[in-house]
This record gives sequence, C-alpha cells and structure tokens, in this order.
Amino acid sequence: TQLLEQSPQFLSIQEGENLTVYCNSSSVFSSLQWYRQEPGEGPVLLVTVVTGGEVKKLKRLTFQFGDARKDSSLHITAAQTGDTGLYLCAGGGFYNQGGKLIFGQGTELSVKP
Amino acid sequence: GAGVSQSPSNKVTEKGKDVELRCDPISGHTALYWYRQSLGQGLEFLIYFQGNSAPDKSGLPSDRFSAERTGGSVSTLTIQRTQQEDSAVYLCASSSRPGARGNTIYFGEGSWLTVV
Repeated sequence: TQLLEQSPQFLSIQEGENLTVYCNSSSVFSSLQWYRQEPGEGPVLLVTVVTGGEVKKLKRLTFQFGDARKDSSLHITAAQTGDTGLYLCAGGGFYNQGGKLIFGQGTELSVKP
Repeated sequence: GAGVSQSPSNKVTEKGKDVELRCDPISGHTALYWYRQSLGQGLEFLIYFQGNSAPDKSGLPSDRFSAERTGGSVSTLTIQRTQQEDSAVYLCASSSRPGARGNTIYFGEGSWLTVV
C-alpha cells in the first residue's frame, strides 16, 4: 500500500516568515503533485514534478522532488496572509493504476498579519 | 461545462436513509475519480472509472457504497443506509490523460454530506 506522510499537520506563522512542508513515502511515485485547497472548494493544482531531483518555482513557492522520487518538499518564502489554506501533496502511481493519486493528510497553514 | 460539477453541494440526511451524489465531469475526460475528505484532512480514494467501467473500486469503505457511470460522462455515488461516520465532503475529479506521467486531475467543489 502506498502512503504519503505529510508534515507538519498544522503550521501557524507570521507574515514574512519562511516555511517548508514535507511529504515523505517509502514508495516510489511516477509523479508528485501539490494542491492548495480553500474552505468550501475543491483542491486546485499548484505544480507537478515528475523527474527525480526536479525543482520548480512558482513565484514565492519552490517545489522539489527527491532524487529517488519518494519524497517532496514545498518551501514558501516571505509568506503572505493569502497563502493561508490547506496544502496537499499527492503521489501519482504508474500507468496500470489509472492515474489514481494517493494524498497525504494535508498541512493546514495559517499566516497571520 | 467548463469544470467538474457536483450536486448537491450540501445534503443533510437522517441516519439509515439512502443518498445519491452526482458528478458531471469536464467534457471529453475519460477518467473519473471519487474521493472522500473528512474535515481538514487529506483525500481518501474511493473509486476510479475509465469510461463506464470501474477498474479500481478498492477504496469503497463498505458494500453500502456503490457508484456507476453512464455514457462515459455523468457518475452517481450512492450510499445506502447512511451512518454518521459517512459524514464528509465527497469530491469528484476528472482527467483526460489517466496513467500519463504527471496526469492532472481537476476537482469539483464537492458535496458536503451530513448524517444526523
């Protein structure tokens, strides 16, 4: 069974601080995705990483896929109140799994002014 | 439609009653997924459809849960004899490239089910 452990589960910081969220597994994934979800809405895709060691940047957000494709991290620089939300990592299986995603339990981020 | 559409957005039902949740995927998307999310938690996979068939139903928690998809489009998730532990948000998603590396799935806003 593929599992993704996400940490921390809750994070409360002041505006302007930096933070990192981790997503770890003992399984190899073909891809790793990060989503952000706001209350009352479905998750919205932020980024997909597919190559071991890959780093992608999205403004103040930096995503990294581990060399062995078992883990990933999301780093936010100079957090803003608008970054508040639930961040979810999701691992993509291989073709025979039909593109099913396995989700971590999420990191609830609160950025205070 | 432009996005994945789900109905109802909110449903309150009495314990023991049956409920049906509907999902209308993005037009042309062959793959459809149902997930369940408890308050503030990650998503739990329920079932995956490719066309009208369900090659993976491994996440359905009990035989009270069933789902079907017709015409390669609309899907209905049915929960029979609802229990309080069924209370959650039920999210539907669809994809045009299931199994492709970096497959992107698009989520609806969910159906919030409360069993009282």
